[in-house]
Amino acid sequence: EVQLLESGGGLVQPGGSLRLSCAASGFTFSTYVMNWVRQSPGKGLEWVSSIGGSGGDTFYADSVRGRFAISRDNSENKVYLQMNGLRAVDTAVYYCAKTLGSLTGYSDSWGQGTLVTVSS
Amino acid sequence: EIVLTQSPATLSLSPGERATLSCRASQSVNSYLAWYQQKPGQAPRLLIYDVSNRATGIPARFSGSGSGTDFTLTISTLEPEDFAVYYCQQRSDWPPFTFGPGTRVDIK
Repeated sequence: EVQLLESGGGLVQPGGSLRLSCAASGFTFSTYVMNWVRQSPGKGLEWVSSIGGSGGDTFYADSVRGRFAISRDNSENKVYLQMNGLRAVDTAVYYCAKTLGSLTGYSDSWGQGTLVTVSS
Repeated sequence: EIVLTQSPATLSLSPGERATLSCRASQSVNSYLAWYQQKPGQAPRLLIYDVSNRATGIPARFSGSGSGTDFTLTISTLEPEDFAVYYCQQRSDWPPFTFGPGTRVDIK
């Protein structure tokens, strides 16, 4: 059974940093593109970032490019999202999600999410 | 960036009725369109990918259709557990992968 468990969320001041982690199990982690998707309170879904299986290919939404960095550790089956220069608009639940097979973009397994609140 | 619009914003129906949800893209997404279901306090769940393929474990009452810029998610007979928000998403032209704003299906 696929399991994804996010951690690292919390309250941070504007301009601050947080590092989100997602621990994966139940599948061959290194062979899948992994994604971060966020959802602001009461709002819709927004794709944030994706990383290829080897970690060499990374992709970002324009809204976070240059501030966020995605990475992975295939030896520990974890994916990370380093978030710097946080803004109030970054307040959201951040979901880690596994790609459906080789169909980059579709997410067939999701974690429960971790809440990031950016506020002074 | 491909913009997805969904209609209606809210659909009020009774259990047993048929639900028809629409997703329109600002340009062709070919067949690279998915649908997700999200219930309050839960993560999204993939229902349909590549327009009409049901994801693992998704009941047959969920079906998808369309091509190019216009797509439909149909729930043939609403069950009580189907009342939720539904999002469409494209992977045709990325980054970014974009989602529609969602359609809420609530109990009439």
